[in-house]
Amino acid sequence: DTAVSQTPKYLVTQMGNDKSIKCEQNLGHDTMYWYKQDSKKFLKIMFSYNNKELIINETVPNRFSPKSPDKAHLNLHINSLELGDSAVYFCASSPSGQAAFFGQGTRLTVV
Amino acid sequence: ELKVEQNPLFLSMQEGKNYTIYCNYSTTSDRLYWYRQDPGKSLESLFVLLSNGAVKQEGRLMASLDTKARLSTLHITAAVHDLSATYFCAVADSSGTYKYIFGTGTRLKVLA
Repeated sequence: DTAVSQTPKYLVTQMGNDKSIKCEQNLGHDTMYWYKQDSKKFLKIMFSYNNKELIINETVPNRFSPKSPDKAHLNLHINSLELGDSAVYFCASSPSGQAAFFGQGTRLTVV
Repeated sequence: ELKVEQNPLFLSMQEGKNYTIYCNYSTTSDRLYWYRQDPGKSLESLFVLLSNGAVKQEGRLMASLDTKARLSTLHITAAVHDLSATYFCAVADSSGTYKYIFGTGTRLKVLA
């Protein structure tokens, strides 16, 4: 009965590769997010979708492309991975105006 | 642009002591959240503060919000080792875009 689930949990890949991270929530929330947490634990919002519509698109390289096939899913595709993309990526969901529920994170390591 | 600052960044304290973590933010907002993150784990929601003067308490933690001062505090009473974690505040952008801006985090270590 996981609320927000991300796959994979760990991802090790070489520079230049393309990879995807999947996220699903079973809470019925309207809004979903992608956050990036760097090695210093800073959390930065990347994208937000509300009812499948993109509403927040922060200053993120266009190698990062989110896709929301339906309200319960928000995937993140990354092209041409770079060393600086190494981080933990968190998916989250929330009902409007309420606290967000976070997935367990995907630790991406680019070598 | 909304900016959120926390202090201290690191906090090492003895069990049984009290301390306060501060969260300042730069523009108007009426929604503030506190989260806890254990090492290698996800973020867990602790408190939701939705109005000026709001105070919430859970066990040894108490959070408050002063929207006029743009300040929230997380007070720890009689700390225990189990409270060791990183604590984040997050402030909702008032533009209605459902955007949460996180503070820098406070890494708390409670020493036995």
